[in-house]
Amino acid sequence: DAMVIQNPRYQVTQFGKPVTLSCSQTLNHNVMYWYQQKSSQAPKLLFHYYDKDFNNEADTPDNFQSRRPNTSFCFLDIRSPGLGDAAMYLCATSRDTEGSYEQYFGPGTRLTVT
Amino acid sequence: DAKTTQPNSMESNEEEPVHLPCNHSTISGTDYIHWYRQLPSQGPEYVIHGLTSNVNNRMASLAIAEDRKSSTLILHRATLRDAAVYYCILRAFGGSNYKLTFGKGTLLTVNP
Repeated sequence: DAMVIQNPRYQVTQFGKPVTLSCSQTLNHNVMYWYQQKSSQAPKLLFHYYDKDFNNEADTPDNFQSRRPNTSFCFLDIRSPGLGDAAMYLCATSRDTEGSYEQYFGPGTRLTVT
Repeated sequence: DAKTTQPNSMESNEEEPVHLPCNHSTISGTDYIHWYRQLPSQGPEYVIHGLTSNVNNRMASLAIAEDRKSSTLILHRATLRDAAVYYCILRAFGGSNYKLTFGKGTLLTVNP
């Protein structure tokens, strides 16, 4: 059974049109992460939530926002997508942020910007 | 996070063991060694992690050198489904260790 679910798997949006990607988890983990993976590159963390506490990476553009209304769900909002935002967006969860805990990833949402 | 060095690519034959090396000469005493893999068009998948002792699970084994400056991920019998990019990542216990910092990884090709 899927533990980290991302919807949709593929999303096409227009340049400048806001888009929301969603992630849900059945693991009841405290931490939820959003990573961006561009073509032929390694995943890169955008931000994460520890419970309700939001933590932004220093180099994450302001164009990217996130919401976590409850333990199970987390959303990635891209306010004005540009062509450079086309990527795979990966949601992950972890019981805690300490180094001894593993992260569980969803299948990703591939975003295309036209 | 401390850096790791992995070969860009490796090749194996199906049903043979595979040993994927990782060097981490600047590892600190509280760094855990994590391995993830990413199959084509999928999200990364946790494989195994350890601190000092060798570790085994249903997917693989992790052999850690006595000085902890290197480690080896062992797939005991490679299958076609094991073809993926394998990432070796160090994560500290404490501090700004909340994220996985992915390097380039090793692309494993499995021949039938």
